[in-house]
Order: sequence, then C-alpha cells, then structure tokens
Amino acid sequence: KAGVTQTPRYLIKTRGQQVTLSCSPISGHRSVSWYQQTPGQGLQFLFEYFSETQRNKGNFPGRFSGRQFSNSRSEMNVSTLELGDSALYLCASSLGTGIPRTQYFGPGTRLLVL
Amino acid sequence: GQQVMQIPQYQHVQEGEDFTTYCNSSTTLSNIQWYKQRPGGHPVFLIQLVKSGEVKKQKRLTFQFGEAKKNSSLHITATQTTDVGTYFCAEYGNKLVFGAGTILRVKS
Repeated sequence: KAGVTQTPRYLIKTRGQQVTLSCSPISGHRSVSWYQQTPGQGLQFLFEYFSETQRNKGNFPGRFSGRQFSNSRSEMNVSTLELGDSALYLCASSLGTGIPRTQYFGPGTRLLVL
Repeated sequence: GQQVMQIPQYQHVQEGEDFTTYCNSSTTLSNIQWYKQRPGGHPVFLIQLVKSGEVKKQKRLTFQFGEAKKNSSLHITATQTTDVGTYFCAEYGNKLVFGAGTILRVKS
C-alpha cells in the first residue's frame, strides 16, 4: 500500500504571499491531520479532517486553513505568509476515528518564507 | 492544556551503550505513543501504551508506561548507528500532543 504523499516537497515563498499544500492519505484512511514542525516550537497540531469535516483545530491564527475532499485528499492553505511560517509541514493519515490511533506521516513539505 | 515534558533534550552515546529517554506529565496521561524521526525524515510510529504499568518490547527497544500513568520511558539496549534520530513521545487526547523530543547521536 502506498504511504502518505505530500506535494510539493519544497517551496520558497516571500512574505505576504499565500501557499497551498496538498496531502494524499493512505488508501482507505479517512482522517487527515496537519502538523507544523519548527526547531523552536517542535511538532504542533494544526487541524484534523474526517469525512470532509474539520474535527479539531490547534492554536494557530486564521491565516492557516484547510479542507478535505470527498476522496480524503486534503489541502492546507496559509495566507499572508510571515517569516515565522517557515517550517516543515507534515500531514498524517489514520484509519477511523478511535482514540488513540496510529498516525502515518508523510514526508512533509518544507516551506521557506523569505 | 495537555503537555508532555521530555528529557533529555539531547544525548550522545558510544555505539553499544544504552540510551533512555523519559516523558513526564503533571496530569494523568490517557495513553502514550512513541515516534522516531530520522534526520531529514518524518515521524514514524513505534508503539502505543495505554495501560498502567504496561511494558512492551521491540527487539532492543523497551517501552514503559508508569503505574500512575504520568510518565513513560523508552530504553534502547546496545545502541547502533541506525538508532540515530529524534525520539518523540506524544499523548493522544482529542489531538496528538508531542513532547519536544530527544535527539540521539551515536558515535561509532
């Protein structure tokens, strides 16, 4: 079974721009979560989607948004980019909605904001 | 909110030595998951503990969940260069909350 895929893998943007990142979960997985990883703040939860509905949201400003499509693929969008948004953005998929559940991470998108 | 503290932040060991990382919480943890992230890679799920006092082993790795469910540890026996990476603990409440991670370096 193919793993979680994320595109693009690397991205360079400038302040004020917006960016859209894409995530395709493992086949059959309907839950997709997004995380931001930085050296200073570590791994932080952004949001989770299940069946096209946002189930949970982390403590990030409204500039960070996401959505999920009927095929479970997910996108996250960051508007009005700031230098501090430079990070590795990780997507993780999981099977079902039970707690706890195993998260399968994708390779991430490394975003650099100049 | 939920918070898991992880120590040490960094450990450099000689190949063949043992390694332990600890995860602590001021509140009772409902569960603990452990992940490994290789340099330049992404977190990979290792194990999940849910029961008080639970101990699980994976080859040279031993995972424990404290009796009071406020702490957990990951112990690696006789480290190898392939063990290099960052080890994270995380609690799964309504979301996955990660500890800061322990960076393991192994000198060969």
